[in-house]
Amino acid sequence: DIVMTQSPDSLAVSLGERATINCKSSQSVLYSSNNKNYLAWYQQKPGQPPKLLIYWASTRESGVPDRFSGSGSGTDFTLTISSLQAEDVAVYYCQQYYSTPLFTFGPGTKVDIK
Amino acid sequence: QLQLQESGPGLVKPPETLSLTCTVSGGSISSSSSYWGWIRQPPGKGLEWIGSIYYSGSTYYNPSLKSRVTISVDTSKNQFSLKLSSVTAADTAVYYCAKTVPQIIAVAANWGQGTLVTVSS
Repeated sequence: DIVMTQSPDSLAVSLGERATINCKSSQSVLYSSNNKNYLAWYQQKPGQPPKLLIYWASTRESGVPDRFSGSGSGTDFTLTISSLQAEDVAVYYCQQYYSTPLFTFGPGTKVDIK
Repeated sequence: QLQLQESGPGLVKPPETLSLTCTVSGGSISSSSSYWGWIRQPPGKGLEWIGSIYYSGSTYYNPSLKSRVTISVDTSKNQFSLKLSSVTAADTAVYYCAKTVPQIIAVAANWGQGTLVTVSS
C-alpha cells in the first residue's frame, strides 16, 4: 500500500502571505512511461464536500484560482497558496492515484488565518 | 451544470447492507470518459476511496472493502449505486458520490453533497 503523509498537521498564515503544505508518498507515484505524477490535491471547507484543486501534481482544475499551485515529483510534493485569502481556510488533502485500485489520501492539513 | 445527489437510508443496523444511489443530472453517465466513484469520510476524520465504476460496468474496488462492496450503474436512469454488506459501526460515515476527471479512475472532479449513514442497532 502507498501511505501518504502530510506536514504540517495545521498551520496559521497571515492574510496575503504564502502557505505551503507538504505531502509525501511511501513510494514513487511517478509513472515512467508517461512521466506523470499520479498526485492530486483537494480542499475541504466545513460542512462541504472536497473540491478538486490540482491533479497530475501540477495541473490546476478549471476555475481554481492561480494562487493555488502544485509542485514536486516522485515521492515529495507541495501545495502552495501564494497569497492566502480568508476563503482559503480549509483542510487540504493530497491523494495518490498511482496504485490501482487502492487510491489513498493523506491525513489532511488544516489551514487557518493567523 | 452537472449535479450529483446521494440518496438512501441514514440509519442502517449491523450487520445489514448499506445501499445508496447517486442520481446524476445535467449530464449523461454514459456520454463521457469519466468514471463514477464513491468516497466516504467518518465524522471528523479523513477520506477513503471506496471504488469506481465506468458506464460500461468495469469496476475498481478498494481491496480492504472488496469482499463487501458492490458498485453498479444504471445508464437508463442515469444513476449508479453502492452496496456495502455486513456493516459495523466502523462504516458510519458521510458517503459521497463523484464524477472523476476524464480517463482518470480516481480523481474526483464533481462531488455530491454527501449523505451521513449511521450504523447502529
